[in-house]
Amino acid sequence: QKEVEQNSGPLSVPEGAIASLNCTYSDRVSQSFFWYRQYSGKSPELIMSIYSNGDKEDGRFTAQLNKASQYVSLLIRDSQPSDSATYLCAVPVSGGYNKLIFGAGTRLAVHP
Amino acid sequence: EPEVTQTPSHQVTQMGQEVILRCVPISNHLYFYWYRQILGQKVEFLVSFYNNEISEKSEIFDDQFSVERPDGSNFTLKIRSTKLEDSAMYFCASKPLAYEQYFGPGTRLTVT
Repeated sequence: QKEVEQNSGPLSVPEGAIASLNCTYSDRVSQSFFWYRQYSGKSPELIMSIYSNGDKEDGRFTAQLNKASQYVSLLIRDSQPSDSATYLCAVPVSGGYNKLIFGAGTRLAVHP
Repeated sequence: EPEVTQTPSHQVTQMGQEVILRCVPISNHLYFYWYRQILGQKVEFLVSFYNNEISEKSEIFDDQFSVERPDGSNFTLKIRSTKLEDSAMYFCASKPLAYEQYFGPGTRLTVT
């Protein structure tokens, strides 16, 4: 059974700080990894994808991948109250039609 | 920017009734998915659809469920004889040949 694990939080950070969200996955052959943001009552919104070991930056977001440790993280710099949401780590199952396995999500609260 | 759309946004039905949830995927996408999220739980895969047939389905996707792509744009999920435990958010997603899946806004299904 392929698993994706995240701390449920809540992770509380002050406005302007760096929020660090972590995810581990069980499938050693996974090649791609996604971070989705989900506001309460809304659908998952893709914010980052990463395929190679190392860092990938997009605006205030940085995804970090370490395949040897089966670990992917998301850093949010200069956190804003509007970043308050649940962040979902998702890993496609390899060898099939890429159905996504989601973690339970980490709830982030950015306070002014 | 193209988006996945879903209708209705909210559907209330009585136990035992049939419902059809509708999705219009992004036009040049090739793979289509249905996921659901029971309140407070993970997003979970139901079914994937490619080349006009089901490519993969989960254990949840039993004979009660069916999917269709009746024309070149719509993608539907039918739930026959709904049960209380079918109450959830249902998300449609689509993707091109690349890996990223894009989600629609969801349909909230309430079974009473």
